[in-house]
This record gives sequence, C-alpha cells and structure tokens, in this order.
Amino acid sequence: DSGVTQTPKHLITATGQRVTLRCSPRSGDLSVYWYQQSLDQGLQFLIQYYNGEERAKGNILERFSAQQFPDLHSELNLSSLELGDSALYFCASSVAGGNTDTQYFGPGTRLTVL
Amino acid sequence: EDQVTQSPEALRLQEGESSSLNCSYTVSGLRGLFWYRQDPGKGPEFLFTLYSAGEEKEKERLKATLTKKESFLHITAPKPEDSATYLCAVWYAGNNRKLIWGLGTSLAVNP
Repeated sequence: DSGVTQTPKHLITATGQRVTLRCSPRSGDLSVYWYQQSLDQGLQFLIQYYNGEERAKGNILERFSAQQFPDLHSELNLSSLELGDSALYFCASSVAGGNTDTQYFGPGTRLTVL
Repeated sequence: EDQVTQSPEALRLQEGESSSLNCSYTVSGLRGLFWYRQDPGKGPEFLFTLYSAGEEKEKERLKATLTKKESFLHITAPKPEDSATYLCAVWYAGNNRKLIWGLGTSLAVNP
C-alpha cells in the first residue's frame, strides 16, 4: 500500500458525459501527478500540481482539467467523454515535486466509456 | 527525439532462470532513472532510483545498474511472484519536470 488513495475504483459512463476522479496523496506529500494508461500507449503524464498550483503539464486534452485543493487532495475532471478516453487513470504523489523525487502511485481508477 | 526504450517487450522465464531487462535512453543530462513494477490493473510500485553512471542498487532478487546510455534490471533466480510488468522512467535536464516512461517489459516466470 503506497498510501495514495483514489476513488472510485471503477467508473462506467456514456459518451458525452462528465466524470470526476479523486485522489488523496500520501501524508506529507505536496505534489500530485495524474497519468493515463491505455493498453497501446503506456503511461502518459497529464498534469502535476504542487501545493495547490499547477506545476507541469503533459499531454492533457482541453476536455480534461484538474485542481488541487487546500487539503492537498486533487480531482481530475473529464468532460465530453469519448470512447478513446477509456483507460486506467493513476494519481501519484511525491514529497516536493522536484526532478528526482520518487512518485508513489495510487491503485488507479478504471474508466470505461460506452 | 528524447526516448526511453525497454527491451524485450516480453520475457518468459522458468523459475530460477536468471535474466536481465534493459532500459535505454537517448536524453542528455540525466538527473534520475526510476524502476517500477506493475501488476495487472494495479498502480506502479516503486523499486529503485539511480542517479549516476556506475550506481547499483539491490532489493531481494533484483539488482539495478546504470551506465551513461542504459540501465539493466537483473533478476536472479526469479520466482513466479516476480511476474509483472517492469517500467523504467527518466528525469533529465530541460525536461520541465516531466518523467519520460518506457512501455515496459512484461515478465512471466513459470513454476
């Protein structure tokens, strides 16, 4: 158990809908990262927040957004969902978010878009 | 283009048959290389961080090494419970705080 929690574990929804994924980092960690993992593309970095502020951005679609709250939990919002958004979504956290900080991953949310 | 390439894509071993997984990278200014283990449907589990060429780290049956162009994950006398996908990722100078991930090596260890 990494100490990172994610809810829900599974999510099934329809195209065009909007969902919210939630992540609580390890106690004491200030940075949260979001990743998407699909079978053919491996782990794709989406976005990082550090202490409430956006710190780095990866291949995140405009239909996706995230935020980190004062209690350091984070939410990833996915809207206008398409079939291709079906994937595992992971949250990771690290102490400070520096270049060599170890990222600890949560168990993931499996999103299925029908 | 900066890349991280893992080989082989898949590896099947008999229990006790030692082998190595490779992670090669074409980035300059490496700051850190990470190895993770991932079981199906689960989140990646951190194994090692290597920072400079010549560095080695060990954990149970696993040993990670680093050169200027690649890293190896040596698995000695593997057991069926070592079956998983092994991922590597790198930080490098100018990467704007983003890890670059390889696609992983899927390891199956038969009893």
